[in-house]
Amino acid sequence: DTGVSQDPRHKITKRGQNVTFRCDPISEHNRLYWYRQTLGQGPEFLTYFQNEAQLEKSRLLSDRFSAERPKGSFSTLEIQRTEQGDSAMYLCASSLALGTGKAEQYFGPGTRLTVT
Amino acid sequence: KQEVTQIPAALSVPEGENLVLNCSFTDSAIYNLQWFRQDPGKGLTSLLLIQSSQREQTSGRLNASLDKSSGRSTLYIAASQPGDSATYLCAVRNTGTASKLTFGTGTRLQVTL
Repeated sequence: DTGVSQDPRHKITKRGQNVTFRCDPISEHNRLYWYRQTLGQGPEFLTYFQNEAQLEKSRLLSDRFSAERPKGSFSTLEIQRTEQGDSAMYLCASSLALGTGKAEQYFGPGTRLTVT
Repeated sequence: KQEVTQIPAALSVPEGENLVLNCSFTDSAIYNLQWFRQDPGKGLTSLLLIQSSQREQTSGRLNASLDKSSGRSTLYIAASQPGDSATYLCAVRNTGTASKLTFGTGTRLQVTL
């Protein structure tokens, strides 16, 4: 069990560019979550997948954001036409589905995005 | 809408002291509650998870309690060490959504020598 991994760890981009982040969950976990954390705040929920199905999206996830989880394994989060307000830490977490245990969420190290 | 509050926002204690971090939530219909640790610029490390039917959980020097009816949880750290310095986050999962975690803003702890 290697834990949740995220790539890249840091990304600096210019306003208006598109960026894509990747998350690899713990292998046996069928649920995958994306959160966003700004400085001094707790993480805020963006979206989650059960297997390949995207089951819930937050209102924070504007139409410039899109997430995918093909084949129910890794996930990508793309931000189009980045804005300075998108600068944040993007965190990925994974868990087992409810009813299979505690469904404890395990987090990756995050991707720090800076939009200049 | 669930809201989670953590008090105090920051805390500084000398090494060896026992301390308590507080977390309150507005909607008592929770599935579970997790306490996390976050070091600067890093991801979150899960410390303890308490199911809604439980009153407390212990791991080493950490003890977390849950009073669901009053919407409160505490994290007790015994014999604090400089390595405990970090931000501690409380998060709840509601029974309705049963998916996302709602986080507090955290308590930034510094343990001094």
